[in-house]
Amino acid sequence: AQSVTQLDSHVSVSEGTPVLLRCNYSSSYSPSLFWYVQHPNKGLQLLLKYTTGATLVKGINGFEAEFKKSETSFHLTKPSAHMSDAAEYFCAVSDSRGYQKVTFGTGTKLQVIP
Amino acid sequence: DVKVTQSSRYLVKRTGEKVFLECVQDMDHENMFWYRQDPGLGLRLIYFSYDVKMKEKGDIPEGYSVSREKKERFSLILESASTNQTSMYLCASSSGLASSYNEQFFGPGTRLTVL
Repeated sequence: AQSVTQLDSHVSVSEGTPVLLRCNYSSSYSPSLFWYVQHPNKGLQLLLKYTTGATLVKGINGFEAEFKKSETSFHLTKPSAHMSDAAEYFCAVSDSRGYQKVTFGTGTKLQVIP
Repeated sequence: DVKVTQSSRYLVKRTGEKVFLECVQDMDHENMFWYRQDPGLGLRLIYFSYDVKMKEKGDIPEGYSVSREKKERFSLILESASTNQTSMYLCASSSGLASSYNEQFFGPGTRLTVL
């Protein structure tokens, strides 16, 4: 079985300061991991994904995430927050055995304070 | 670019009505999904389909049914809408190729209110 835990339901940062959104996963097989962003009343947009290879993954809008197998984590970071980063972020996991389902976390709402 | 479209952005229905939510994707994807999204609960899978006329129950299928008559179209049906089905409904699709690693592409969502 696969599962995802997003450790914070809300995160608040000041504009220009670093962002850290935490995600832990559980998977019986080699996982694929995703971060999606959702702006108000919109669908989900893929920020970045880890499938195989390099464990530090770079995504759009300056975000990156590091796959740490020993810690079963896939935290999302950004060096400097912009006002436009205010949104809800979802971590997701899918195992690699060909099963099509993806399991999503409950989301982290990021507030950026001017 | 992959495009997933949903028939309505906002929908208001009355209790007991039959409701159809339509989703269309243009990337020839094998897999299609319906989720509902509620505050604090994240995305919960209602049904998914991995081929035309095939469907599988997700985590919360009660009160819903689906139809997939064509590869590009996946419909969610609320047989008799109830107020506890007021929610945001998201459709997604993914390729059946192993190289896709199950990455899903989402539509803009339908916010359904049942009065």
